[in-house]
Amino acid sequence: KAGVTQTPRYLIKTRGQQVTLSCSPISGHRSVSWYQQTPGQGLQFLFEYFSETQRNKGNFPGRFSGRQFSNSRSEMNVSTLELGDSALYLCASSPNAGTSYNEQFFGPGTRLTVL
Amino acid sequence: GDSVTQMEGPVTLSEEAFLTINCTYTATGYPSLFWYVQYPGEGLQLLLKATKADDKGSNKGFEATYRKETTSFHLEKGSVQVSDSAVYFCALSDYGANNLFFGTGTRLTVIP
Repeated sequence: KAGVTQTPRYLIKTRGQQVTLSCSPISGHRSVSWYQQTPGQGLQFLFEYFSETQRNKGNFPGRFSGRQFSNSRSEMNVSTLELGDSALYLCASSPNAGTSYNEQFFGPGTRLTVL
Repeated sequence: GDSVTQMEGPVTLSEEAFLTINCTYTATGYPSLFWYVQYPGEGLQLLLKATKADDKGSNKGFEATYRKETTSFHLEKGSVQVSDSAVYFCALSDYGANNLFFGTGTRLTVIP
């Protein structure tokens, strides 16, 4: 099976712009989660989507949003970019939800640089 | 709230040395515990996991035991290799949840 894919891999934007990142989960996986990785804050959970619905949300401002399509592919959007949004954005997919343990499979990430 | 405290790095070891990376957690309920590894320029890979108290996760010579009494999940390897050089993250998730809480990561460098 192909792994989790993320596009684009690298992105450069300027302050005030908006950006959309894409994630294709492993075939058959219905849960997609997003994480932000920065040197200062480490790895932080953004949100999770399951069956096109947001199931869980981290502590990020409303500028960060996401959605999931019927084929489980997911996008996240960041509006009005700030310098502090520069980070590696990781997507993870999981086969199901509601069991005791769900292994998450991570993509390679999208490196966003805000100038 | 849930949190993970991980040994600060970086850690530099000679090949074949013994490795321990400490990890302690705070959680309500019955979390699952994980160690992830991140190689340069790549995403995270699950190294090992434990889903209940006293479980021992193991993979590629690495081991960690879920200790509820000390709320710990320390990573160990008896003999490290240069190829083990990477950043290691301890993480937990609540029962049935998909969101992970990560530690700050520990960078390991193994020198020949």
